[in-house]
Amino acid sequence: AQKVTQAQTEISVVEKEDVTLDCVYETRDTTYYLFWYKQPPSGELVFLIRRNSFDEQNEISGRYSWNFQKSTSSFNFTITASQVVDSAVYFCALSELIASGNNRKLIWGLGTSLAVNP
Amino acid sequence: EAGVTQSPTHLIKTRGQQVTLRCSPISGHTSVYWYQQALGLGLQFLLWYDEGEERNRGNFPPRFSGRQFPNYSSELNVNALELEDSALYLCASSLARLAGGLSYNEQFFGPGTRLTVL
Repeated sequence: AQKVTQAQTEISVVEKEDVTLDCVYETRDTTYYLFWYKQPPSGELVFLIRRNSFDEQNEISGRYSWNFQKSTSSFNFTITASQVVDSAVYFCALSELIASGNNRKLIWGLGTSLAVNP
Repeated sequence: EAGVTQSPTHLIKTRGQQVTLRCSPISGHTSVYWYQQALGLGLQFLLWYDEGEERNRGNFPPRFSGRQFPNYSSELNVNALELEDSALYLCASSLARLAGGLSYNEQFFGPGTRLTVL
């Protein structure tokens, strides 16, 4: 069955440290999509990135980078030089094909709570 | 462009009462998703509507129901409220299908409705 595992429940770092959030997934689909979302204390989930299963190029956006490794079914997220504003819960998600016609829904990990301390 | 909007922001009810939560998707999005996020827990998928029809349902009792209107806005109804229904209810919208039938299922979230059941 499709599944997303975020083994790290909570991480605490000091500002300016680099931190990596792990995401491991299981799927039977040959074509799938992976996502990362950020949920700051305000509660609203913010979309960060989408990655297609056929594109294993790593991506960098400012201090954020993502490492997609199909061989290990992982899609890890690294924040470089962390800042207090990065404190949030981060969710990894996998799109699941649930019916013909390419209908999909997202399978969510349980999230990793990141605390960046001054 | 306006994002996903939800109303009300906060709600306090007592056990046994009924509640209706509302969601307006991003203009042009036809799919609406409802999630429950209880304190300290991840996102629990409730319902998915697309083009006015229920496409998928999470593992919740029938007292959780909803509908989608012709303008793609949606309501979530919860009957016979129980204490454990206290949670943040998040609505998300997406384009169910892009040109050619491909669906990324990238979801954009509203700020949520925080429901407290006393």
